[in-house]
Amino acid sequence: DTEVTQTPKHLVMGMTNKKSLKCEQHMGHRAMYWYKQKAKKPPELMFVYSYEKLSINESVPSRFSPECPNSSLLNLHLHALQPEDSALYLCASSHSRTGGDTQYFGPGTRLTVL
Amino acid sequence: GENVEQHPSTLSVQEGDSAVIKCTYSDSASNYFPWYKQELGKRPQLIIDIRSNVGEKKDQRIAVTLNKTAKHFSLHITETQPEDSAVYFCAAYSGAGSYQLTFGKGTKLSVIP
Repeated sequence: DTEVTQTPKHLVMGMTNKKSLKCEQHMGHRAMYWYKQKAKKPPELMFVYSYEKLSINESVPSRFSPECPNSSLLNLHLHALQPEDSALYLCASSHSRTGGDTQYFGPGTRLTVL
Repeated sequence: GENVEQHPSTLSVQEGDSAVIKCTYSDSASNYFPWYKQELGKRPQLIIDIRSNVGEKKDQRIAVTLNKTAKHFSLHITETQPEDSAVYFCAAYSGAGSYQLTFGKGTKLSVIP
């Protein structure tokens, strides 16, 4: 299996809702990433997990809470989001974090915050 | 930290012509340079990459060149086809300190049939 999968594909939520995004890979990769991508912009790094430990948090607001239950799964918990958080949320994985390994992206979750 | 500049922001070419996209980076410790293609509504997909110990790499119609001294790298697409139309992102990976990819702002390539 050489793919990163994400669910759901689309999500619409109100500012008071709590929801979660899920990401899964079965490539044996030990680094996993969350990116946020706005229209016509490059992906913007949010979090990096290396060997299931959070190693980078790019000053992301606390309304975004990442979780890595095991080496194959990555979640992003969302709470009290703002309309400006509407974006494509991409998960990626790579063999390791420190080796300059190729990052493989999932298809993303298109999030709309009303 | 690393800074990656990408030019041009938009590029239109006739089908069959070549397309060239250029990127410069700031961190001399950067050692890995991937190129991603992103079609509308889809995920970024790696199309080619190059490491700092190599000057050029080719895969069929796609090639990447790297000039470490000048700190720039370029994507070359020959015999362009309409399905090459997409946004292309260059990126640089710094092996010292940040351990993360820094992306360029992207180039929207349109191949006109």
